[in-house]
Amino acid sequence: DIQMTQSPSTLSASVGDRVTISCRASQSISTWLAWYQQKPGKAPRLLIFKVSSLENGVPPRFSGSGSGTQFTLTIEGLQPDDLATYYCQQYNSYPYTFGQGTKLEIK
Amino acid sequence: QVQLQQWGAGLLKPSETLSLTCAVSGASFSGHYWTWIRQPPGKGLEWIGEIDHAGITKYNPSLKGRVTISLDMSKNQFSLSLISLTAADTALYYCAKGPPDGFAPWGQGTLVTVSS
Repeated sequence: DIQMTQSPSTLSASVGDRVTISCRASQSISTWLAWYQQKPGKAPRLLIFKVSSLENGVPPRFSGSGSGTQFTLTIEGLQPDDLATYYCQQYNSYPYTFGQGTKLEIK
Repeated sequence: QVQLQQWGAGLLKPSETLSLTCAVSGASFSGHYWTWIRQPPGKGLEWIGEIDHAGITKYNPSLKGRVTISLDMSKNQFSLSLISLTAADTALYYCAKGPPDGFAPWGQGTLVTVSS
């Protein structure tokens, strides 16, 4: 199985900050990488697919980058509504796997 | 707009079988994959498996052959069956559409508790 490792596990930032979350795959996953946002008590919401494609309706302050094994989710101008846990996921090879999550706290 | 609505029994005993159904509206099954994912309380996400419009399935080997995903195109529904339940199967279970453009949308989730 491909292991997905996110860092940091917890992140505390202030409104207006630029935030980056990293995701590393244990082997190359080409561009089959997605990011999800999960708020407490809710189903995950797709933010970005194929590394950098923004899902419909997602604010453009969310962006993704990377290739091969190293990927990044960036949030520009952090908003209070961004309080959530963020997951990366590879869907390059079976079984599809998720990172362990990054919990984003607002200072 | 694609929507997924799921349902199924929420409290089961060890050794019983989990059965969940996900109804799809706003999309046909053709050209897409349909997926089940679970999340134990307070933990991360685990991919269970997927089915395509031709009924071809892929499963997570971690479930050791206990899982079956099926499709009913006449009802626009797909289903999950998981046999020989243990407490370790206690989780929120989600259905979702996708890949290849990620997994979206997701169903609302069904909490399945396995307890004697």
